[in-house]
Amino acid sequence: RKEVEQDPGPFNVPEGATVAFNCTYSNSASQSFFWYRQDCRKEPKLLMSVYSSGNEDGRFTAQLNRASQYISLLIRDSKLSDSATYLCVVRRGKLIFGQGTELSVKP
Amino acid sequence: DGGITQSPKYLFRKEGQNVTLSCEQNLNHDAMYWYRQDPGQGLRLIYYSQIVNDFQKGDIAEGYSVSREKKESFPLTVTSAQKNPTAFYLCASSGGYSGRGYNEQFFGPGTRLTVL
Repeated sequence: RKEVEQDPGPFNVPEGATVAFNCTYSNSASQSFFWYRQDCRKEPKLLMSVYSSGNEDGRFTAQLNRASQYISLLIRDSKLSDSATYLCVVRRGKLIFGQGTELSVKP
Repeated sequence: DGGITQSPKYLFRKEGQNVTLSCEQNLNHDAMYWYRQDPGQGLRLIYYSQIVNDFQKGDIAEGYSVSREKKESFPLTVTSAQKNPTAFYLCASSGGYSGRGYNEQFFGPGTRLTVL
């Protein structure tokens, strides 16, 4: 079993839809949590950190449930430009990456 | 502009040849990392360095070697011992350890290596 597992995807949604990504991690010693975005054939870039209290950045909301070892990312009012692969990342000393969930937003 | 550069963007090599991938950063970061990404998979850590003249193996170091002679530079050599070297290689750097783990990692644009 992988230490960080994400929804397999791909997700194909129309513009304006709300989409949710789920991620689970297996090691309870994990210290901090992130969502990265990776465009096709490009490098990953930090989208947002994830805090236990939940945090929001515009149309993006991240949640962390330490008891269930579960992380989520919600995108509201999706745009064509949101099309990318979203990587769930856990820090346990080093960064541990999930395999990513691909999102395709269609007109 | 500060950032991380990797060269070349695309690299083709014959099987059995060693090849060195370049990574340079001008962010004044102490820590640097090399990852490998295969299609449909997450990034896997090859080697990392927290300070000049020191580096540690990551999860998949076999068949790779690195050096860290300068703070700005962390080249990766893919040796002929690496059984499946074709992949997307990403270099990253961070400001180092802050007591809560390492700070945000910034990635270079990557090198796509194809071994023929």
